[in-house]
Amino acid sequence: GDSVTQMEGPVTLSEEAFLTINCTYTATGYPSLFWYVQYPGEGLQLLLKATKADDKGSNKGFEATYRKETTSFHLEKGSVQVSDSAVYFCALSSNTGNQFYFGTGTSLTVIP
Amino acid sequence: DAMVIQNPRYQVTQFGKPVTLSCSQTLNHNVMYWYQQKSSQAPKLLFHYYDKDFNNEADTPDNFQSRRPNTSFCFLDIRSPGLGDAAMYLCATSRRQGLTDTQYFGPGTRLTVL
Repeated sequence: GDSVTQMEGPVTLSEEAFLTINCTYTATGYPSLFWYVQYPGEGLQLLLKATKADDKGSNKGFEATYRKETTSFHLEKGSVQVSDSAVYFCALSSNTGNQFYFGTGTSLTVIP
Repeated sequence: DAMVIQNPRYQVTQFGKPVTLSCSQTLNHNVMYWYQQKSSQAPKLLFHYYDKDFNNEADTPDNFQSRRPNTSFCFLDIRSPGLGDAAMYLCATSRRQGLTDTQYFGPGTRLTVL
């Protein structure tokens, strides 16, 4: 079945460091891919998404490119801030739109 | 602000004692979802409503039920909670059916089973 595997954490970075959180998927056909973020004490919220191969989702300085050849959707940010400290979830919606899978989440802490 | 609200934020129940978790939304979205998230695991979709149409995931235990009396409210009922049901329960909404649509999440209810 479809699934998402993401990089285990926790990840700790200094402010202004480069961030990559790896996400790979297994799916039939062409799923849609998402990154959700959960700030402390809050619900998950959509960070970015891509619905077809080679699409790049971007928001708040974060980017991820849907790579079908490597079945990946890695999250990147060039310069992280303390306010980016959160848990990041990669997710997949099956190509039928009937199933949705989250990864286990990666905790990011950015220190000043 | 339009939002998804979950009550209570923390719920403690006893083994086998029925419990109900509540979710409400001011977004007027058609679809409402319930997820279960156990410690250090991915959120797992239990079921969702598209308007009044109920869609149960194949592996959701019968112990879990849901009600949606109107557009704004959705309830998760656990008929006989076991220790393995201790988890964070997340409610989400989306405007359209189809899990490619953006989901808006509440803060979750953490359930403890004693």
